Amino acid sequence: RKEVEQDPGPFNVPEGATVAFNCTYSNSASQSFFWYRQDCRKEPKLLMSVYSSGNEDGRFTAQLNRASQYISLLIRDSKLSDSATYLCVVNRASGGSYIPTFGRGTSLIVHP
Amino acid sequence: NAGVTQTPKFRVLKTGQSMTLLCAQDMNHEYMYWYRQDPGMGLRLIHYSVGEGTTAKGEVPDGYNVSRLKKQNFLLGLESAAPSQTSVYFCAVKQGASSTDTQYFGPGTRLTVL
Repeated sequence: RKEVEQDPGPFNVPEGATVAFNCTYSNSASQSFFWYRQDCRKEPKLLMSVYSSGNEDGRFTAQLNRASQYISLLIRDSKLSDSATYLCVVNRASGGSYIPTFGRGTSLIVHP
Repeated sequence: NAGVTQTPKFRVLKTGQSMTLLCAQDMNHEYMYWYRQDPGMGLRLIHYSVGEGTTAKGEVPDGYNVSRLKKQNFLLGLESAAPSQTSVYFCAVKQGASSTDTQYFGPGTRLTVL
């Protein structure tokens, strides 16, 4: 089982739709969690951190379920500009530092 | 304030040639990372550094060497390039040891090995 798994998609949704992605992780000692966004042929950029109690940033909501070892990202009222690949990142402790592990990403296509 | 820069942006090598990729940052961050990204594979960690003069192996270190002689620079070397090293290489920096610190990425280097 891969350490961090995501459904690669693509998720093809119309503007205004609500879409949700999940990401599962295998290491129960994982410490921190993030969602990054990557546009085609560009570098990844932080979308949001994921906190234990769940957190929201505008149209985006992230949640963490430690018992089931998954994080989720919900996008409401999808915009054309939301089309991108969404990367799940999990940090695990290793030798005094934290090693980030990336999922393969979930592709989102928002169409008119 | 350039943030994180990578040199070069593109490169084509022949099998067996060597090259060095440079990552430079003006953010004064301690941690620096080198990743490779291949289609359908996501980002995989090659090597990382937790401070000037330190380096450590990541998930896929074979065929690469690194050096962090200055805090602001992290070099990735390919001594004898192979076609399997064709990839997009990203550098990232992180402020410090906190697990909640954000990684900031450079624009990437597209390397093709023929």
